[in-house]
Amino acid sequence: AQSVSQHNHHVILSEAASLELGCNYSYGGTVNLFWYVQYPGQHLQLLLKYFSGDPLVKGIKGFEAEFIKSKFSFNLRKPSVQWSDTAEYFCAVNGDNAGNMLTFGGGTRLMVKP
Amino acid sequence: DTAVSQTPKYLVTQMGNDKSIKCEQNLGHDTMYWYKQDSKKFLKIMFSYNNKELIINETVPNRFSPKSPDKAHLNLHINSLELGDSAVYFCASSWEGNEAFFGQGTRLTVV
Repeated sequence: AQSVSQHNHHVILSEAASLELGCNYSYGGTVNLFWYVQYPGQHLQLLLKYFSGDPLVKGIKGFEAEFIKSKFSFNLRKPSVQWSDTAEYFCAVNGDNAGNMLTFGGGTRLMVKP
Repeated sequence: DTAVSQTPKYLVTQMGNDKSIKCEQNLGHDTMYWYKQDSKKFLKIMFSYNNKELIINETVPNRFSPKSPDKAHLNLHINSLELGDSAVYFCASSWEGNEAFFGQGTRLTVV
């Protein structure tokens, strides 16, 4: 079975600070990896995804993530956060033997202080 | 046009009632899902369904049942509602393991 861990449950940053949110997954086969964002009161939206190729993927709104296979990690980064980045961030994995189901991590609540 | 739409957006009902939440996607995706998000924002997969296979998360009570009249719809029926069923329920769809697109969510409150 696949599982995802997000170690940072709550993160508070000031504007312009750099961000890195951790994500580790547990799955023995080939995986597709995703980061989703959920702004307050809204649904989940895709930030970026990794299927294959360059392990450093760039997404929307200046976010990027790096897939490190040896560490089973897919950490999310942004060099300079804005107040509007305040949201819940979810890492997700879809293993090649998981019936197309996404398994989500527990989420990280990011609060950016103006 | 909304890609994945759910109705209703809010649902308040009494314990013991039976209710349904509807979901429709116009993306031509082959797989649809229901997720439950609890008060701590934890997202749990409830069902995954395409026209060939229904995959049920074994932790989901059998009071919950998905009904799919066609590939574009996956409705969620809940019987004998309990207080603990209060949550936000998200419908989603995807194509062959690609990213899932989510609906706006249905906030269910059981009183």
